[in-house]
Amino acid sequence: GAGVSQSPSNKVTEKGKDVELRCDPISGHTALYWYRQSLGQGLEFLIYFQGNSAPDKSGLPSDRFSAERTGGSVSTLTIQRTQQEDSAVYLCASSSKKFAEQYFGPGTRLTVT
Amino acid sequence: SQQGEEDPQALSIQEGENATMNCSYKTSINNLQWYRQNSGRGLVHLILIRSNEREKHSGRLRVTLDTSKKSSSLLITASRAADTASYFCATLSSGNTPLVFGKGTRLSVIA
Repeated sequence: GAGVSQSPSNKVTEKGKDVELRCDPISGHTALYWYRQSLGQGLEFLIYFQGNSAPDKSGLPSDRFSAERTGGSVSTLTIQRTQQEDSAVYLCASSSKKFAEQYFGPGTRLTVT
Repeated sequence: SQQGEEDPQALSIQEGENATMNCSYKTSINNLQWYRQNSGRGLVHLILIRSNEREKHSGRLRVTLDTSKKSSSLLITASRAADTASYFCATLSSGNTPLVFGKGTRLSVIA
């Protein structure tokens, strides 16, 4: 079946604007993760959803960041009042269960001008 | 701080040579995973090794795990130009903490 998809693939926004990034996980995968990767760096964990449990938000860098997962499938990551330091590639991944391998989407490259 | 730390940060080899990348971590783990990333976009899962396993093979890939030293190595044999990418190790702890990635090793295979 289809892999993880993300949209948009690229987003350029002005400082102070809000942005929404979308992730469609693999059908049937109960776990969904959001990461952020700055240029030349590793992945920074942001948030993790597992089934109907409360999400693990421990990686969100500030209260400007929020995410939701509707119906246990599609997830949206929202960044309010964007700052230049928010510029990065935002990666979404899903897995069939918590300890299994993760399948990544192609990412959304966010540029805040 | 990062749980997994890869070493070296960058590696350049000739096609046909073997490439070895190392990963060290700090706390006890449930499993350790290696991923590959091309061109700064999505990662591709390569191999998962559980804490009770010591070695695992997949094609030209060989992964070892030494839990006493909290380290793992990824060996790519007979490298090809197409193996050029960044390689990340990621650890999953036994608790509820999420997968933690290192900063990666950038491998360049020269034809």
